[in-house]
Amino acid sequence: DTGVSQDPRHKITKRGQNVTFRCDPISEHNRLYWYRQTLGQGPEFLTYFQNEAQLEKSRLLSDRFSAERPKGSFSTLEIQRTEQGDSAMYLCASSWEGGEKLFFGSGTQLSVL
Amino acid sequence: DAKTTQPTSMDCAEGRAANLPCNHSTISGNEYVYWYRQIHSQGPQYIIHGLKNNETNEMASLIITEDRKSSTLILPHATLRDTAVYYCITGSGGSNYKLTFGKGTLLTVNP
Repeated sequence: DTGVSQDPRHKITKRGQNVTFRCDPISEHNRLYWYRQTLGQGPEFLTYFQNEAQLEKSRLLSDRFSAERPKGSFSTLEIQRTEQGDSAMYLCASSWEGGEKLFFGSGTQLSVL
Repeated sequence: DAKTTQPTSMDCAEGRAANLPCNHSTISGNEYVYWYRQIHSQGPQYIIHGLKNNETNEMASLIITEDRKSSTLILPHATLRDTAVYYCITGSGGSNYKLTFGKGTLLTVNP
């Protein structure tokens, strides 16, 4: 069990640029989740996958955000035309289907200048 | 909005028990109580969860009142490494992916 891995740990970008984050879940987990956390707040749910299917998206996930999980393994979260309000920690988590525990990665800290 | 209420911050002396309260007066019959914690610059870490009965694992104990409207997380012997934000969350077991985190309680363990 190597845990949930996220890359990069930190990303600094200029407003208007596109960014992509990667998440590698625990290998035997078939569910994968993305959350966003801003300073001083708890994490907020964005979206989740069961295998390769994206089953739910939060209304927080605007049209500039897209997430994929090809082949039901790793996942990517892309933000197009970044805005300063996108600055946050982006957290990935995984679990077994029906499992009660979510295992979180250390997150990707995005700063949009 | 989070469906739980927690104190903003608490202090505890190293080696003593830390008791973190949580109010969840609107919890429904099939909802669990989950506790996670988040150490600075890390992702949240699962601690424990329960439905009705008190639960204990290697990390902590969870005491749920009989009416299920509140609970207490107990760290029996707090260490400096337990300094973190502790989140109390309620949710149905099947929809646990939609964990609704509030602001949690910042527990500071002092030497």
